[in-house]
Amino acid sequence: DAEITQSPRHKITETGRQVTLACHQTWNHNNMFWYRQDLGHGLRLIHYSYGVQDTNKGEVSDGYSVSRSNTEDLPLTLESAASSQTSVYFCASSQGDRGADTQYFGPGTRLTVL
Amino acid sequence: GNSVTQMEGPVTLSEEAFLTINCTYTATGYPSLFWYVQYPGEGLQLLLKATKADDKGSNKGFEATYRKETTSFHLEKGSVQVSDSAVYFCALTDYGNNRLAFGKGNQVVVIP
Repeated sequence: DAEITQSPRHKITETGRQVTLACHQTWNHNNMFWYRQDLGHGLRLIHYSYGVQDTNKGEVSDGYSVSRSNTEDLPLTLESAASSQTSVYFCASSQGDRGADTQYFGPGTRLTVL
Repeated sequence: GNSVTQMEGPVTLSEEAFLTINCTYTATGYPSLFWYVQYPGEGLQLLLKATKADDKGSNKGFEATYRKETTSFHLEKGSVQVSDSAVYFCALTDYGNNRLAFGKGNQVVVIP
């Protein structure tokens, strides 16, 4: 069955370190998204991609970057981790170019920055 | 810009009670509306959706009707079970725009 996976599931790092969170989907979807989930804020969009070599900033993109070199993967990099980036991160994917398409979510990565 | 507002606070109710979670939205175009559910320790999964005014989405006994006149998409279930305990998120996208805008979510706890 097609799926979307994230790794690692849990990560503890120190302030200032570079961290990369992996997202891999086997749906062959064009669209991929990264969100962070924080208490009191719901989910907020960090970056998204509509296809290979395409990346776009979301509403909370400062301190994060992504690259899309193939259809299946959209890794999220924290260039210099900060305590404010302690959060749960979700990757999602969808197929179409219309707003009605369902997004499928991964299980999440819990990141703690000390 | 687009935004979604959900009622404040967790919802605690007894098994077989009626559940309503309010959701209102602001959008500039013609949004599609969604309810996603997050069970403990898991990612989000689609519960139901509606893509145009007066559409009703339904799944697993849950229903929500797209009301353009009141800009609302309230979630209802007639008789909840303990297994419905989860966090529920209302969300929207505009036509041609795949980016989801989420409400803050509501924790629902169903007591046996």
